[in-house]
Formats: sequence, structure tokens, C-alpha cells
Amino acid sequence: KAGVTQTPRYLIKTRGQQVTLSCSPISGHRSVSWYQQTPGQGLQFLFEYFSETQRNKGNFPGRFSGRQFSNSRSEMNVSTLELGDSALYLCASSLEQGEKLFFGSGTQLSVL
Amino acid sequence: GEDVEQSLFLSVREGDSSVINCTYTDSSSTYLYWYKQEPGAGLQLLTYIFSNMDMKQDQRLTVLLNKKDKHLSLRIADTQTGDSAIYFCAESMGGGSYIPTFGRGTSLIVHP
Repeated sequence: KAGVTQTPRYLIKTRGQQVTLSCSPISGHRSVSWYQQTPGQGLQFLFEYFSETQRNKGNFPGRFSGRQFSNSRSEMNVSTLELGDSALYLCASSLEQGEKLFFGSGTQLSVL
Repeated sequence: GEDVEQSLFLSVREGDSSVINCTYTDSSSTYLYWYKQEPGAGLQLLTYIFSNMDMKQDQRLTVLLNKKDKHLSLRIADTQTGDSAIYFCAESMGGGSYIPTFGRGTSLIVHP
């Protein structure tokens, strides 16, 4: 069974631009969560989607948004990028909400 | 909010046992997890324990849970250089809309 796939693997953007990251969960998994990982803040929860609905949201500004499609694939979007958005963005899927998370390798975003 | 705390670093010699400790504050935690993150990769679920268990063993890994003290530990027997990574402790209630809370991670360094 294929794992969680995130694309792209690396991304370099400049301040003010926007970016879209993609995540394909493990087949059959209906819940997709997104996390931001930085050396200073550790792993911070962004949001969780289940059956195309955002069920939970972390404490991030409205520049961070996401969606989930009917095939459970998910995208997250960050608009008006800031230097502080540079981080590893991790996607995780689980069979149901609140169950064991399986992570992708992440997208390393650098904002210059 | 709930907190999960871990020490930041642990250094051991190859062949020795490693013990990584974690404390959490939410007494209603149902699941407690250990994840491993190697450089440039996402988090890999190593093992987990239900809150009604005291111990779980899985090959070289032993998880001990002290619910009274809200203390979780991960013991790695016969530690190898390939075990060098960051280890994250996480807790969740499971089901519903509760999102796992992660610790900041413990960097395990294994010396030859």
C-alpha cells in the first residue's frame, strides 16, 4: 500500500507570493491533517479535513487555508507569504479522525 | 491547553539501551504514541499504547506508561547508529474532533 505522498518536495518562493501544497493520503484514509514544523516552534497543527469538511483548525492566520477533495486528496494554500512561513509542512492521514497518523515526507518551503 | 514535554537531547553509546521520557498533562488521554523522524523525512509511527495498558513491547522497543504520574517512556534496547533520529511523544483522546498533541521531540545521538 502506498504511503502518504506530498508534492512538491521542495519549494522556494519570495515574500508576497502564494503557494499550494498537495497531499495524497493512504488509500482508504478519510482524514487528512496538516502540520507546520519549524526548529523554534516544533510541530504545530494547521487543520484537519474529514470527508471534504474542515473539522478542526489550529491557531494560524487566515492566509493559511486548505481543502479536501472527494477522493480524500488535500491541498493547502498559503497566500501573501512571509519569511516566517519558511518551514517543513507535513501532511498526515488516518483511517478515521483521531486515530493513528501516518505522515508524508513533507514539503520544505523556503520564503526569501 | 494540553502540554507534552520531552527532554531535547539524549546521547548514548552503540549497544547500550536508550530511554526517552515524556510527560503529559491531559489525564483523559486515550492513546499515547511514539514517532521517529529521520533527517529530511516525515514522522514515522513507531509504536503506541492505550491508556489502559502499563507496558507494551515490540521487538527492541518497550513502552512504559505511568498514568498516575502521566509519564511515558520509550526504551530502545541495543541501540544502533541507525536509531539516531528525533523521537516525538504524542497523546490524543481518539475519535471525535480531538487532535493529537506532540512534544517538541528528543534528539537521540548514538555514538559508535
